[in-house]
Amino acid sequence: GQQVMQIPQYQHVQEGEDFTTYCNSSTTLSNIQWYKQRPGGHPVFLIQLVKSGEVKKQKRLTFQFGEAKKNSSLHITATQTTDVGTYFCAGPLTSNDYKLSFGAGTTVTVRA
Amino acid sequence: GAVVSQHPSRVICKSGTSVKIECRSLDFQATTMFWYRQFPKQSLMLMATSNEGSKATYEQGVEKDKFLINHASLTLSTLTVTSAHPEDSSFYICSANGGGALETQYFGPGTRLLVL
Repeated sequence: GQQVMQIPQYQHVQEGEDFTTYCNSSTTLSNIQWYKQRPGGHPVFLIQLVKSGEVKKQKRLTFQFGEAKKNSSLHITATQTTDVGTYFCAGPLTSNDYKLSFGAGTTVTVRA
Repeated sequence: GAVVSQHPSRVICKSGTSVKIECRSLDFQATTMFWYRQFPKQSLMLMATSNEGSKATYEQGVEKDKFLINHASLTLSTLTVTSAHPEDSSFYICSANGGGALETQYFGPGTRLLVL
């Protein structure tokens, strides 16, 4: 089955700055989902992207699904200390599978 | 809505004992539940998929006789770690969805297992 790759693994950000985490798949994805896991917590669903080229925003978070539906990105503007955590992208293991393959995650730390 | 609970949140046990972890969907019926394992600073690794009333499907490399899964109802799935050993110490997380390829997975709070 396909695997989802995610970079960077770690992101150290100055408070107020922007950053982006990227997710790539070797095969076309029917959808891609993003989750956030706070330190010591469990993954919490953020968003799901389905359409080619889709862009969705949640306040300072902008999610994008590539035109070929093989990549996705999460961009956070004006990073705050509340953004600390690990962000995972996840895509279906196969085209008609509801099992998810999770990326390695991007762990974000913020310097005040 | 879409709340998943997990019990216990933490458990410490002696090597050789068995531990049962419960996963419940509180406000929706979960036709499918998933069990993940997460080691420190690593991603989630899918262990198995359970469907209500049928046998669980295990991922490659996961011993079905060691990790017993029972999905007895549309709101409850259990994972039993049998004859636990220190290497089984991990963060076990369940998730649930209502079925269908595009359904979002809702995660439980996880269970931290420490085997001494």
